[in-house]
Amino acid sequence: EVQLVESGGVLVQPGRSMKLSCAASGFTFSSFPMAWVRQAPTKGLEWVATISTSGGSTYYRDSVKGRFTISRDNAKSTLYLQMDSLRSEDTATYYCTTGTADYWGQGVMVTVSS
Amino acid sequence: DVVLTQTPPTLLATIGQSVSISCRSSQSLLHSNGNTYLNWLLQRTGQSPQPLIYLVSKLESGVPNRFSGSGSGTDFTLKISGVEAEDLGVYYCMQFTHYPLTFGSGTKLEIK
Repeated sequence: EVQLVESGGVLVQPGRSMKLSCAASGFTFSSFPMAWVRQAPTKGLEWVATISTSGGSTYYRDSVKGRFTISRDNAKSTLYLQMDSLRSEDTATYYCTTGTADYWGQGVMVTVSS
Repeated sequence: DVVLTQTPPTLLATIGQSVSISCRSSQSLLHSNGNTYLNWLLQRTGQSPQPLIYLVSKLESGVPNRFSGSGSGTDFTLKISGVEAEDLGVYYCMQFTHYPLTFGSGTKLEIK
């Protein structure tokens, strides 16, 4: 059974940092591009970042470029999202998903507030 | 950025009724490799999105065949042939032909 399990979400002050993790199992993690998608409270889905299978290529939405870093450890079947200089508008549930949206995690809530 | 316009925003249906959701793209979603990367997702209340359709018309494993997708270029449609109670939720189209990946604004399906 495919599983994507996110962790790391919490309440954080504006300007601070946070790192999300996504542990994958049930499929060959290293063969899939991976992505983070977020959803602000009561809003729609918004793509955040994608990483290639090797990690050599990364893509970001403009509003997080230079603040967020997506990475992966294929040996550990784990995806990461390092989020720096957090803003209130980054408040959302963050979902880990495969690059083609075949599989989704349960999501982790990130709240940026003073 | 590619804008995906979904209509209608809300759909009220009775059990057994057939309904359609439209997704129009601001530019062609035909990739240079010949594929059209347009997916449909369903998000039930309090749950993660689940994939329904990929590459415009291919049904994800385990998805009932009352769901079907069609379209090409910039115009796409999701059809549910005989709505069931478990189909309520918000439907999203999404494209990953072009970066940034984008989603439609969603269509909320409610059951009468």
